[in-house]
Order: sequence, then structure tokens, then C-alpha cells
Amino acid sequence: DAKTTQPPSMDCAEGRAANLPCNHSTISGNEYVYWYRQIHSQGPQYIIHGLKNNETNEMASLIITEDRKSSTLILPHATLRDTAVYYCIVRVAGSSNYKLTFGKGTLLTVNP
Amino acid sequence: GAGVSQSPSNKVTEKGKDVELRCDPISGHTALYWYRQSLGQGLEFLIYFQGNSAPDKSGLPSDRFSAERTGGSVSTLTIQRTQQEDSAVYLCASSLVGGDAFFGQGTRLTVV
Repeated sequence: DAKTTQPPSMDCAEGRAANLPCNHSTISGNEYVYWYRQIHSQGPQYIIHGLKNNETNEMASLIITEDRKSSTLILPHATLRDTAVYYCIVRVAGSSNYKLTFGKGTLLTVNP
Repeated sequence: GAGVSQSPSNKVTEKGKDVELRCDPISGHTALYWYRQSLGQGLEFLIYFQGNSAPDKSGLPSDRFSAERTGGSVSTLTIQRTQQEDSAVYLCASSLVGGDAFFGQGTRLTVV
């Protein structure tokens, strides 16, 4: 699986959009971009994933650049409960081995 | 079940004792994963099950660690002769083949 690069930490004001970047310049054509988050003392939580088109669900939006070398996770209206470590992971599509390789992620702190 | 269930949630054991950690995956999920997260560290892959077989055990740190899965459902991670460096949160995840992984809340193991 390709490696990803994320900033170690970010701050965001409550109610504002949080934009979390991720670089994955060595991504292969059959690799998806996945985002998970881990709130303190909890297990990781799946957020969203995409291949090349932008994706949106009830939690977030995922914007993937046309060359697929980077992506941005957008939390449109961040709340205090969104404070967590956010992990960007790339993984081969449809792989029978779901080995997720977690990096250090980005610690997002949402401030009141 | 509604989610991945792990037990116990907390375990304190004396150095040199054996411990067993249990994971109940989401019903119908054939893939099961164990991860470990040491204090302040990222998630470290341990082992992957597809059904009752483990095609990827590459993350088990030593021969003191073993895992089994029976009936394609419950999995047990066993650590023999525990050491202080085994102290960590042990996380279990399950998924459909090629599907999104869902994590449990983990077992916090403390070796004293």
C-alpha cells in the first residue's frame, strides 16, 4: 500500500469547516483513499473513502485531486466532538486482505 | 451483533502471566483483524483472519503472541508470559471481504 503524509496537528474553530489535507503521491490506479478517525480512548471509526470522484456522506466530504496525488477531508461544520486523530490511508480496491496501514495521522483540535 | 465487541475492556496482569483477549465480530463478517496501539503510538497491525484461517500473521511481535478464530466468528488473542512492553490497547476489527473495517473499543492491557 502507498504511504501517506499528513500534518501532525491542526486547529479549527467550532462551527467552521475543517479541511484536513493528505498527500499520497505514490498512489496506484487501483488504490482507494480511506479516512478514519480515532477519538480519545475509542477505536478507530470509518469516515469515508473514494477512488477518484469526490464523495460526500453524512459525516464528511472527500475531495481528491485530478492526479489523485492528494486529497482533502472536509468536516463542514466542526463540533467539539470532532476533536480526534484523523488517519488518511490508501488501500488496494477490493482487496481480500484488509490490512490497514495507519500512519501518525493529524490531531484535529476543535476549539470553542 | 450491532458492533464489534471486545472483552475485557480493561485487564491488569502481572508480568509473566498469560492473558486471553476476546473479540466478537459483527455477525456475517468473515474478515477479522487484530491491531495494537501503545501509548502515544499509531496502530500496529498484528494478524488477519479470513474465516478461521490466518493468511497474514506478519505483525505478531513474538512467539509469545498467538491468535485463533473458531466457527468463523469469535477470535481470541493470547499473550503468554506477558512483559511490560506488551502493555497497550489491543483493537479488533471486522469486515466483509473487501469491505469497510469496523473497530471495537479495544482492550486496555496493563502489565505490572
